[in-house]
Amino acid sequence: DVKVTQSSRYLVKRTGEKVFLECVQDMDHENMFWYRQDPGLGLRLIYFSYDVKMKEKGDIPEGYSVSREKKERFSLILESASTNQTSMYLCASSFGDRGYEQYFGPGTRLTVT
Amino acid sequence: QQQVKQSPQSLIVQKGGISIINCAYENTAFDYFPWYQQFPGKGPALLIAIRPDVSEKKEGRFTISFNKSAKQFSLHIMDSQPGDSATYFCAGASGGSYIPTFGRGTSLIVHP
Repeated sequence: DVKVTQSSRYLVKRTGEKVFLECVQDMDHENMFWYRQDPGLGLRLIYFSYDVKMKEKGDIPEGYSVSREKKERFSLILESASTNQTSMYLCASSFGDRGYEQYFGPGTRLTVT
Repeated sequence: QQQVKQSPQSLIVQKGGISIINCAYENTAFDYFPWYQQFPGKGPALLIAIRPDVSEKKEGRFTISFNKSAKQFSLHIMDSQPGDSATYFCAGASGGSYIPTFGRGTSLIVHP
């Protein structure tokens, strides 16, 4: 079974803090993704990576950065957290030629106060 | 620009009824249409998918119908059960980008 794990289920941070969200997958997938999920807005792609040290902007990259130093690990960084970044963050991974078949982690509920 | 429009946003069905979720897409390059199911507190999981050369695909109680000329596809859940209560996302993807474009989701509640 593919397993995608995320470092925290719930996280509470203060405005202006630097926030790291970690994601690890155990299936040797080439592609990894970060989404945020908000009611009524569905899944919005923040960043994705198709290889180690490679990254591409998604639909809403502003205020976020990512890091992929190892194939199995993809980190999302909020350089200076703001209240409008309060959301559910979902990590996903997939094989290189099957990006549409994504395996999601359980999500991190981030609250910025 | 919303490339995959999904409706309804929420749906309430009685146990044993048929749940129908509709999606429409704009990008004619899409050649793969997956549906994801998300239970509360979990990440989405791939449920069923269809390619445009097929008009219908059935897996158990779940059926995807596809209308290429209308650029529409739908998910039918027959004999809906309370355990089907979840959020459902449709999506379109093309082999070139490998990345699905998701609809905004439908929250389904099946009453016992």
